[in-house]
Amino acid sequence: RKEVEQDPGPFNVPEGATVAFNCTYSNSASQSFFWYRQDCRKEPKLLMSVYSSGNEDGRFTAQLNRASQYISLLIRDSKLSDSATYLCVVNDYSGGGADGLTFGKGTHLIIQP
Amino acid sequence: DAGITQSPRHKVTETGTPVTLRCHQTENHRYMYWYRQDPGHGLRLIHYSYGVKDTDKGEVSDGYSVSRSKTEDFLLTLESATSSQTSVYFCAISEGGLMQGYTFGSGTRLTVV
Repeated sequence: RKEVEQDPGPFNVPEGATVAFNCTYSNSASQSFFWYRQDCRKEPKLLMSVYSSGNEDGRFTAQLNRASQYISLLIRDSKLSDSATYLCVVNDYSGGGADGLTFGKGTHLIIQP
Repeated sequence: DAGITQSPRHKVTETGTPVTLRCHQTENHRYMYWYRQDPGHGLRLIHYSYGVKDTDKGEVSDGYSVSRSKTEDFLLTLESATSSQTSVYFCAISEGGLMQGYTFGSGTRLTVV
């Protein structure tokens, strides 16, 4: 059974600090990776894809370690508006129309003023 | 940018009644999905569609059926609602492909009493 594991938190972090969290995935054949953000009582929204070489989008940096099967998300200079739940998502898609996304249960982040 | 809309947004229904949730997209995406989200479980796939009249079961399909007669509409039906189906239901769309994330609708909060 494919699994994506995340620390549920909450992570309480002061505004302006750097915070990082990881997720691990069980399927070594997983092919693509994403971070989603979900605000309270809202739908998940794609934050960023995760590329093998690592990638950055403003204050956010995502990294992938295939050997250890984990993905990380780093948030620098955290803002109050970063408070949300962050979902780690893995795509095991192997073609043929079958759905391959497996969602972690999320890490809850609270940025404190 | 409401390329995907769900209706109704909220619904309270009685045990044993049939319920239909609607997902409508204007993006002409091939793939459509129904998820439910519950505390402690994260997002779980109910059914998905990879084209008109082409659907398949997900992880938690028991008690649910779907139909897709047009590209833009994907209906989820609870044949006879039970209290265990009280949940938040999200529809998602995707163009397909490994690096494509999903776009989610705003969700339907369903309470079965």
